[in-house]
Amino acid sequence: SQKIEQNSEALNIQEGKTATLTCNYTNYSPAYLQWYRQDPGRGPVFLLLIRENEKEKRKERLKVTFDTTLKQSLFHITASQPADSATYLCALDMNSGYSTLTFGKGTMLLVSP
Amino acid sequence: EAQVTQNPRYLITVTGKKLTVTCSQNMNHEYMSWYRQDPGLGLRQIYYSMNVEVTDKGDVPEGYKVSRKEKRNFPLILESPSPNQTSLYFCASRGRNNEKLFFGSGTQLSVL
Repeated sequence: SQKIEQNSEALNIQEGKTATLTCNYTNYSPAYLQWYRQDPGRGPVFLLLIRENEKEKRKERLKVTFDTTLKQSLFHITASQPADSATYLCALDMNSGYSTLTFGKGTMLLVSP
Repeated sequence: EAQVTQNPRYLITVTGKKLTVTCSQNMNHEYMSWYRQDPGLGLRQIYYSMNVEVTDKGDVPEGYKVSRKEKRNFPLILESPSPNQTSLYFCASRGRNNEKLFFGSGTQLSVL
């Protein structure tokens, strides 16, 4: 069956450092992968989308890579700030086309001042 | 302002008492979906709808019903709630040519 794996342990880093979060998937070849941010008790908020033919995507301090051979996406936040503390979710369209998104369980990021 | 609106934000009820959680979007989106989120299990899809009068089961549909009579509304119905349906529920929508999901603020449901 298809699986999406994100590191379940929280990632603790110091302010100013680069945070790197990992999303691995198995048994599927998605056309694209998305990253969302979720604050406690709130709905996820879309951050970035990267397609299978793109190696890298950037938006301000955020960078996403997508390696379809390794079946892995890396999500980077450079010059991290305490306000970046949140849970980050990756999501894939597991059924291809215009249907459903399946989410990983998310990784909590804690940025200390 | 473009948004997905869920109501209520918090709901405490008792086993077996029918309830409805409403969801409305003002972006003319074709696709709408319901998720539940539980600690350690992440977001799991309950039902989704590709357009008016078209609904499909997600990964965990048991105990839930939905309807899509109008494009903007997608209510989630629990005919006979049970304690294992205590969870944080999210409604989401997206447009036909846009893969990005817009989420509501969530409904925290407790079934006693």
